[in-house]
Amino acid sequence: KNEVEQSPQNLTAQEGEFITINCSYSVGISALHWLQQHPGGGIVSLFMLSSGKKKHGRLIATINIQEKHSSLHITASHPRDSAVYICAVGGGTSYGKLTFGQGTILTVHP
Amino acid sequence: DADVTQTPRNRITKTGKRIMLECSQTKGHDRMYWYRQDPGLGLRLIYYSFDVKDINKGEISDGYSVSRQAQAKFSLSLESAIPNQTALYFCATSGTGTDRKDNYGYTFGSGTRLTVV
Repeated sequence: KNEVEQSPQNLTAQEGEFITINCSYSVGISALHWLQQHPGGGIVSLFMLSSGKKKHGRLIATINIQEKHSSLHITASHPRDSAVYICAVGGGTSYGKLTFGQGTILTVHP
Repeated sequence: DADVTQTPRNRITKTGKRIMLECSQTKGHDRMYWYRQDPGLGLRLIYYSFDVKDINKGEISDGYSVSRQAQAKFSLSLESAIPNQTALYFCATSGTGTDRKDNYGYTFGSGTRLTVV
């Protein structure tokens, strides 16, 4: 069993829909990261969480440490949100090596 | 200029050749990493370095070596490339850095797509 499990693996939505991607992990962590990878390969860090909730524009990330679960929400989805979203866990605020989920491929149709 | 720069962006090499992938950063981060991404396997850690004098193996270090030439430079070498090392390689950094607004922890390079034929 992978230490970091994401669901769903693939997600298709229509523009404007509310999207949720889930991440469960089985190890103790100090921080959880949500990353975005566009076609062409580059990876961008969206959020780093150790508790609670963070919001950045239309993106919201939550984490429940007791349940070892995090969610990434996208409100009012847009075709430019189409990308692979990757959950990763690691130790110590912004330090430490990460363990990655398999990624969720999101496609948003106009 | 990008915060984390990887060169080359793409490389095709022959089996048995030695190849070096280079990474430089302007984040002022202490910690640097090399990851490999394969379809269906996600990102896996090859090597990491917490400062210039510190080098550590990751989960898939066999066939690779690294050099931390300076705080800002971390290179990955394939001593004798083989086809199953064909993958997308990412350099990454983490740390408090020099930017007070650096709240996102990790910064990734744009990746190097390596093909070994």
